[in-house]
Amino acid sequence: GAVVSQHPSWVICKSGTSVKIECRSLDFQATTMFWYRQFPKQSLMLMATSNEGSKATYEQGVEKDKFLINHASLTLSTLTVTSAHPEDSSFYICSAAGGRHNEQFFGPGTRLTVL
Amino acid sequence: EDQVTQSPEALRLQEGESSSLNCSYTVSGLRGLFWYRQDPGKGPEFLFTLYSAGEEKEKERLKATLTKKESFLHITAPKPEDSATYLCAVFSGGYNKLIFGAGTRLAVHP
Repeated sequence: GAVVSQHPSWVICKSGTSVKIECRSLDFQATTMFWYRQFPKQSLMLMATSNEGSKATYEQGVEKDKFLINHASLTLSTLTVTSAHPEDSSFYICSAAGGRHNEQFFGPGTRLTVL
Repeated sequence: EDQVTQSPEALRLQEGESSSLNCSYTVSGLRGLFWYRQDPGKGPEFLFTLYSAGEEKEKERLKATLTKKESFLHITAPKPEDSATYLCAVFSGGYNKLIFGAGTRLAVHP
């Protein structure tokens, strides 16, 4: 149980285009999902907390107009990187809160490369 | 300020050589300490949750313990497949989010 999927697993795009990443909780309902960013050999950096049916809460320094988050259902959250630039290239990971003690279960990650 | 510090940064072990990873934390209102395993290019895999000092949990060759200031992840007789980055995180009641340490990169050689 507690499986979280992400799609796509990797994406390469041109500078200036937008990219959408999906995060799904496959076998449980998640009222809260989280989006993280991870640079090579560094730990996870929380970007935003997404609650179903309401606006996401962004961490300090994260541009909400650049990283659009939608959490339309209890099993799906999306992150759209708008007008992507090379500096947005990174590993994006989502997690969903579930389980007896509200543990966070992570998706496999999406590698974004912006050319 | 809530903070998580993991040590060592990297650890190299021979197969069968037991050791421990450390996670020191300062947090306002601890609502759980979590251990995750992360393989290169993948998302973290949940291992354990600990909630109160004195609590211990085991899974195969791994055992996690918790005190009021730190947690240890003990690895007994490790195998090469245990090679990964081990992440420690605390759930801060003050900030309502997970605070991650930088991780320990473990390499187990045959």
